Amino acid sequence: ETGVTQSPTHLIKTRGQQVTLRCSSQSGHNTVSWYQQALGQGPQFIFQYYREEENGRGNFPPRFSGLQFPNYSSELNVNALELDDSALYLCASSSPLTGTSTDTQYFGPGTRLTVL
Amino acid sequence: RKEVEQDPGPFNVPEGATVAFNCTYSNSASQSFFWYRQDCRKEPKLLMSVYSSGNEDGRFTAQLNRASQYISLLIRDSKLSDSATYLCVVNGPGSTLGRLYFGRGTQLTVWP
Repeated sequence: ETGVTQSPTHLIKTRGQQVTLRCSSQSGHNTVSWYQQALGQGPQFIFQYYREEENGRGNFPPRFSGLQFPNYSSELNVNALELDDSALYLCASSSPLTGTSTDTQYFGPGTRLTVL
Repeated sequence: RKEVEQDPGPFNVPEGATVAFNCTYSNSASQSFFWYRQDCRKEPKLLMSVYSSGNEDGRFTAQLNRASQYISLLIRDSKLSDSATYLCVVNGPGSTLGRLYFGRGTQLTVWP
């Protein structure tokens, strides 16, 4: 196991609702990245947090937002849910020497979100 | 154009077969390359990093051709337990360093 945990495991929401997903990084890791994986596709980068600051963002609208806490755990918030937001949401933790190194990212088990 | 392109398969091979997967990446400035394995409804797990000189880990061999921007994975003596989706992954270069770009994955089924 990677030591990265996510909650909840599964979630069902309806269009227009808001959702918060949580991730606890592996001990000693200060960087958390979030990815969205739609069915049949590879994960897509949403954003990354390093030492509580956003450190890069993919092509996702502003209704996708995040936080990182002093203990390096992180939240992903999605407002105004749309049907296409149904996906597996993965977080990955790493511990680069700087905020932009290429250290291995270790993935949590994911949260499966279904939007009806 | 997608950053990483992969043939989604599926590949169906008998136990003991040798199978090869390929992918291409679009940004010539990319510096880090990986193969991840993903089992059904599970998270991706790092299988191996890919180095310019090529590298081997047991039955798995990864190759990188920077000139062609091409990455390969060879699996020898396939086992039933190798059945999974194999994701080709490239770390973003420059300002996108630290973000991983995934191919859509190649599905492998090994049958007895």
